[in-house]
Amino acid sequence: DVKVTQSSRYLVKRTGEKVFLECVQDMDHENMFWYRQDPGLGLRLIYFSYDVKMKEKGDIPEGYSVSREKKERFSLILESASTNQTSMYLCASSNGAGATIYFGEGSWLTVV
Amino acid sequence: GQQVMQIPQYQHVQEGEDFTTYCNSSTTLSNIQWYKQRPGGHPVFLIQLVKSGEVKKQKRLTFQFGEAKKNSSLHITATQTTDVGTYFCAGDVGGGADGLTFGKGTHLIIQP
Repeated sequence: DVKVTQSSRYLVKRTGEKVFLECVQDMDHENMFWYRQDPGLGLRLIYFSYDVKMKEKGDIPEGYSVSREKKERFSLILESASTNQTSMYLCASSNGAGATIYFGEGSWLTVV
Repeated sequence: GQQVMQIPQYQHVQEGEDFTTYCNSSTTLSNIQWYKQRPGGHPVFLIQLVKSGEVKKQKRLTFQFGEAKKNSSLHITATQTTDVGTYFCAGDVGGGADGLTFGKGTHLIIQP
């Protein structure tokens, strides 16, 4: 079974803090993604990566950055957390363009 | 940009009634996928449709892909409480590494 693991399920951070969300996949997938999910807005793509050290902006990259130093790991970074970044963050991976996407269990971030 | 529209946003049904969610794309899709997210959970892949006019069934769930490969539907016959959740369609417009474009989802609420 494909496993996408998000290390932090629930986080509470203060405004202005730097936040790291870590994600690891165990299926040697080329593509990895970060989405955020908010009520009424569905899944919105923040960043994706199709190879190590490669990254592409998604629909809502502002306020976020990412890092992919190893194929299995994709990190989402909030340089200076703000309250409007309170959300559920989903990491995902797939084996190519248009392929099935496998999601992690999600990280619930609250910024106070 | 490419869009995948999904309706309705919410659907309340009595247990035992049927349910349908519809997905429409502004562009022709290489394939369409359906995902289910249980309350508090993460999206999980259900099925992929590739061929024009394709129909696939999984027990009480019937998935259709339109002849023009721009629309799709998911129909659930005789809903059960275990069907509760949000159903997402996700379309592949092809050619990009950024994966799928997700609809906003249909929240299915079942009243016993």
